[in-house]
Amino acid sequence: GAVVSQHPSRVICKSGTSVKIECRSLDFQATTMFWYRQFPKQSLMLMATSNEGSKATYEQGVEKDKFLINHASLTLSTLTVTSAHPEDSSFYICSGWDQQKETQYFGPGTRLLVL
Amino acid sequence: RKEVEQDPGPFNVPEGATVAFNCTYSNSASQSFFWYRQDCRKEPKLLMSVYSSGNEDGRFTAQLNRASQYISLLIRDSKLSDSATYLCVVNMGTRADGLTFGKGTHLIIQP
Repeated sequence: GAVVSQHPSRVICKSGTSVKIECRSLDFQATTMFWYRQFPKQSLMLMATSNEGSKATYEQGVEKDKFLINHASLTLSTLTVTSAHPEDSSFYICSGWDQQKETQYFGPGTRLLVL
Repeated sequence: RKEVEQDPGPFNVPEGATVAFNCTYSNSASQSFFWYRQDCRKEPKLLMSVYSSGNEDGRFTAQLNRASQYISLLIRDSKLSDSATYLCVVNMGTRADGLTFGKGTHLIIQP
């Protein structure tokens, strides 16, 4: 299957700082990328849909000014958690939509811990 | 009502046994259905898509009942390596839209 990478895999930061997470599709072009979040013992929840060259679409209850998404190229989307707080600690997973294979491929996830 | 519901388990099953999971979804307009597998602290990985006609992949069989809005997964001759959380996943829009995940069913295969 296609490969999606995320960086960093794990990050610990202080409350109030901003954290940027990168999501890259390594062997296909992803016109659409998705950002999900998973809290312990909970299901993955879609946060936002990111389309290359346009503004992201956020799910209800997700603050667009807090979770900044940039999808500047067909292989890279970034999620910036601004002014992170302990309740933002979670497992953030991105996925890329491969139009040719009509399949969504997931990255390995980024574990964020805000102290 | 939750959009995708699953029994969280855990299901403790002896090696070699057959185990079945069900899942229900609330949106009758849902278009695509999948089973994903998620290992502890890892990302979900696609196990198989689910089609109305039912489909099989080795020891795994998936079925979809649109009228009752439920999806099933059957695992035959279970292996220790099948221990994981199985996620029922529904695409409520087109295949290019984001996915809706159930909370998952935790399966433990015992030797």
